[in-house]
Amino acid sequence: AQSVTQPDIHITVSEGASLELRCNYSYGATPYLFWYVQSPGQGLQLLLKYFSGDTLVQGIKGFEAEFKRSQSSFNLRKPSVHWSDAAEYFCAVGPKAAGNKLTFGGGTRVLVKP
Amino acid sequence: KAGVTQTPRYLIKTRGQQVTLSCSPISGHRSVSWYQQTPGQGLQFLFEYFSETQRNKGNFPGRFSGRQFSNSRSEMNVSTLELGDSALYLCASSLVGVYEQYFGPGTRLTVT
Repeated sequence: AQSVTQPDIHITVSEGASLELRCNYSYGATPYLFWYVQSPGQGLQLLLKYFSGDTLVQGIKGFEAEFKRSQSSFNLRKPSVHWSDAAEYFCAVGPKAAGNKLTFGGGTRVLVKP
Repeated sequence: KAGVTQTPRYLIKTRGQQVTLSCSPISGHRSVSWYQQTPGQGLQFLFEYFSETQRNKGNFPGRFSGRQFSNSRSEMNVSTLELGDSALYLCASSLVGVYEQYFGPGTRLTVT
């Protein structure tokens, strides 16, 4: 069965510093890969996705992620964090077969220090 | 374009009761999926509907059911509520063949 692991439950970063969130997945084949962000009391917002091709993908709000097949990883990065980036971040995988059944990681809560 | 809307936003029910949650997808989106979010279990897939048919199903008991109408709006129903059903229920919609899901704000269900 597929699974997604986000090893860091909490990360605290200073405003202006770089951020990297880790995501590892276990899947029979390369799935579709996603990063979502959730602010308190809100739904999930799609940051970026990887389907195929270039392994470095750009997303919204200055985020990027790199797919590494050999490591089954899809880490999210941002060069300079803003206070508004404080939120919970979820990595998710979905099957390349028809359907929209996402499996999510447990999430990483990001706190931003001024 | 309006986003995914979910009603109601908040709901308090008593154990044993049943509840119906509603989701209106983004205009033109025909796939609707439901997820349950709890502090203990995280985000879990419930089911997906497309063209009024259930296309995928997660590992939830039969008390959880759903349906989709011809206008793509979807409802999910939970019967015989248990305390553990307290959660944020999220609905997501997507275009056919485009595996990007857009989420609504969720319905916060509290079972007492």
